[in-house]
Amino acid sequence: DAKTTQPPSMDCAEGRAANLPCNHSTISGNEYVYWYRQIHSQGPQYIIHGLKNNETNEMASLIITEDRKSSTLILPHATLRDTAVYYCIVRVGELNTGFQKLVFGTGTRLLVSP
Amino acid sequence: GAGVSQSPRYKVAKRGQDVALRCDPISGHVSLFWYQQALGQGPEFLTYFQNEAQLDKSGLPSDRFFAERPEGSVSTLKIQRTQQEDSAVYLCASSFRDETQYFGPGTRLTVL
Repeated sequence: DAKTTQPPSMDCAEGRAANLPCNHSTISGNEYVYWYRQIHSQGPQYIIHGLKNNETNEMASLIITEDRKSSTLILPHATLRDTAVYYCIVRVGELNTGFQKLVFGTGTRLLVSP
Repeated sequence: GAGVSQSPRYKVAKRGQDVALRCDPISGHVSLFWYQQALGQGPEFLTYFQNEAQLDKSGLPSDRFFAERPEGSVSTLKIQRTQQEDSAVYLCASSFRDETQYFGPGTRLTVL
């Protein structure tokens, strides 16, 4: 079972910031928060990940609360091409031995409108 | 550089036929994963390879599903005697050891 909960859908106006929330109240100390998105008929695309510090890259920013029980993915200036399903996933990081499969939930369907 | 590629992108099979789906991971990636995505759902884990070794196949839904990666690079997912419930998108992902997984575009399988 997925360890995260997300709203099923959100709307955003083009050019505005899209803030996608995720709850992961049972996250463990060594578990990372990963975000992927899936545009229609494509494979999931990696966006960003973090452990406890806020992270930023060319695609998005990730804000993780101090207690690590929730996080927010921020797309600073949403475009029509950002319309997709966004998945928040908790996984064990590379410091652990073995692998960790990704357990997807149903994600948030973000619709960016003109 | 080149990402993960999968072929064919679309496959239509008659019920009872065998199918083979191919995955070419990113060069140098040790880990390879297969996922199954039903319509309207998130991807679900099927199996995992580290180089040529299949270390976890707990997600394979039945013994009709078989995966291999004989030389530690290209992988093939084979489904024997396909059934309608096998209709889904099959996704392959690769990673360098236990790091971020990068996905291919998927193969959409339709069983009639």
